[in-house]
Amino acid sequence: SQTIHQWPATLVQPVGSPLSLECTVEGTSNPNLYWYRQAAGRGLQLLFYSVGIGQISSEVPQNLSASRPQDRQFILSSKKLLLSDSGFYLCAWSVVRGFTGELFFGEGSRLTVL
Amino acid sequence: GEDVEQSLFLSVREGDSSVINCTYTDSSSTYLYWYKQEPGAGLQLLTYIFSNMDMKQDQRLTVLLNKKDKHLSLRIADTQTGDSAIYFCAESRGAGANNLFFGTGTRLTVIP
Repeated sequence: SQTIHQWPATLVQPVGSPLSLECTVEGTSNPNLYWYRQAAGRGLQLLFYSVGIGQISSEVPQNLSASRPQDRQFILSSKKLLLSDSGFYLCAWSVVRGFTGELFFGEGSRLTVL
Repeated sequence: GEDVEQSLFLSVREGDSSVINCTYTDSSSTYLYWYKQEPGAGLQLLTYIFSNMDMKQDQRLTVLLNKKDKHLSLRIADTQTGDSAIYFCAESRGAGANNLFFGTGTRLTVIP
């Protein structure tokens, strides 16, 4: 069966520090991968998605970047965090062919920037 | 893009029915979804409805779709404490998950 894991689960970082959130998927090959941010009172916002190794599409211009160094690994990064980067970050994967809207989400990473 | 709208909070007593409402934006959306997020966890797909349907029932869950008003609702019968969660509606405005747009989520609290 397929599993998705992301870490760390909780992170408290000072403003201006770097960020690296990791996500890995097991049990499937060549998935589409996504990073979402969930802010209080707002819907899920798609930040990045990837259809293959090294292929990243950015949905929202911001202080963050994403990379996909391996087929089932997706990394969310920042060189210098802002207060506004605080939030709950969710990694997700989906099938490539026959996508019907089902995304499989990780457990989430709560980032607090102080 | 335009927002998919939901009320932020709903409280119901255990055993009552819950109705969570959503107004979506694109009349040509092909699929509409309900996802459930339990505390501290990621989202899980709960159910979905194709746009040519008016209603879909799955055990305690009933999804109603009013295409004219672009209104989607999720009814949970005999609500249990385990149903306490955040419920997100989402619409598919095109192919691919990058065309999947989520609402703000409704936090359902079930009072014992």
